[in-house]
Amino acid sequence: EPEVTQTPSHQVTQMGQEVILRCVPISNHLYFYWYRQILGQKVEFLVSFYNNEISEKSEIFDDQFSVERPDGSNFTLKIRSTKLEDSAMYFCASRAGVVNQPQHFGDGTRLSIL
Amino acid sequence: AQRVTQPEKLLSVFKGAPVELKCNYSYSGSPELFWYVQYSRQRLQLLLRHISRESIKGFTADLNKGETSFHLKKPFAQEEDSAMYYCALMNTGFQKLVFGTGTRLLVSP
Repeated sequence: EPEVTQTPSHQVTQMGQEVILRCVPISNHLYFYWYRQILGQKVEFLVSFYNNEISEKSEIFDDQFSVERPDGSNFTLKIRSTKLEDSAMYFCASRAGVVNQPQHFGDGTRLSIL
Repeated sequence: AQRVTQPEKLLSVFKGAPVELKCNYSYSGSPELFWYVQYSRQRLQLLLRHISRESIKGFTADLNKGETSFHLKKPFAQEEDSAMYYCALMNTGFQKLVFGTGTRLLVSP
C-alpha cells in the first residue's frame, strides 16, 4: 500500500536557524497538509495546499512558515527562523482529489529546537 | 466554531472487557467524522470513518447528530488495541482535520 514518507525522522536545530521538513505524498493525491503536535497536546492543523498554492492556513502558520512543492513530488515545510516553541512533531498528510476521502499521514518529523 | 472533545485522557480496561471511547463534536455544517489510531511509535492510521459505516478490527462508531457524538466502541478489547485514539472532524472546503486531544487506551491482560 502506498505511504506518505517524511524525512528526517528527527531534526535538531539551534534556535534562529532555518529548517526544512520534507514529505513525499502518495503519488496520485492532490491535497497536501501539514499538522503539528506539541508534546502532550493535540494534533493541530497548520496549512493545506492544493493546485500549487496554499488553500487554507491556521493562525499558527505565520510569516516564519512557508510550504512548497518544488518538483511535483516533494512537499516541504520551511521554518525560517526557528523558536523554542516550534519544537514539536510535524506530520505531513495527503489525500486524493475525490471529496471526503480520508487523509493519509506520514510517520512525522520530530523537531527539537535548542 | 469547529471543535472535537475527547473527555478521557486515559482509558484502562482488562482484556475482554467492552470499550467505549467518547467523542463529541461541535460543527455548524454536516460533519464528516473519523477515528485515527496511533500505535506506539507509528504513524496516525485511519481506523474508521462514519460515512462508510464499517467495522474495523472489531471497532464500530455511530454518528449521533442529536447528541453530536461519534463514540468508538468495541465489545471485547484485546491487548493489541492499546494505542492512542484520536477523533477528528473534517470540515468542508479544503477539508482540514480538526482533532480531539486523544484518548490513550490501555488494555491489560
